[in-house]
Amino acid sequence: DAGVIQSPRHEVTEMGQEVTLRCKPISGHNSLFWYRQTMMRGLELLIYFNNNVPIDDSGMPEDRFSAKMPNASFSTLKIQPSEPRDSAVYFCASSLGWGRENTEAFFGQGTRLTVV
Amino acid sequence: EDQVTQSPEALRLQEGESSSLNCSYTVSGLRGLFWYRQDPGKGPEFLFTLYSAGEEKEKERLKATLTKKESFLHITAPKPEDSATYLCAVARITSGTYKYIFGTGTRLKVLA
Repeated sequence: DAGVIQSPRHEVTEMGQEVTLRCKPISGHNSLFWYRQTMMRGLELLIYFNNNVPIDDSGMPEDRFSAKMPNASFSTLKIQPSEPRDSAVYFCASSLGWGRENTEAFFGQGTRLTVV
Repeated sequence: EDQVTQSPEALRLQEGESSSLNCSYTVSGLRGLFWYRQDPGKGPEFLFTLYSAGEEKEKERLKATLTKKESFLHITAPKPEDSATYLCAVARITSGTYKYIFGTGTRLKVLA
């Protein structure tokens, strides 16, 4: 398997524009996570899904953020409208989501978002 | 409230100088403690999973241990290529699936 695949790797956009980040989890993984990483706050969990259903979106900072998982192999994180303080690296991760072993999550390479 | 605290925030070692990184945690219903390595510009790379107190895992110069309140990542005779940020995370069950909470990491620099 190619691992978790994120696109784009880098995104530069102007304040007020809509931004969509994409993620393909590892095949067979049932749980998918979106994280945001900054120097100040480290890795923050934004939202996660189990079997394509959102379980907890309490980490989503504002209504400007939304996430979807229309099927087991694809998820999006959308920011609309974007603001400079949204600049960060956004990671997607996936895991089996069940069982007593092999519970670790695997990460994509991230999308570095810059809002100017 | 679930919490993961890592120390020190940053560590500089000479090549060959062994040391330990600490991860202390409070979580209800621990389902695993994980160590990751993160290189600049890349995603966290999985290293170890520990499930119960007393468990140990080893990989090359790294050894992870777990107690009921904390975990240690021991680095023996480090090399410059071990320089990275090391992240600790815990997992617990929420709504039938695992939720992962991360610490802020230890930035390790190994000098030649």
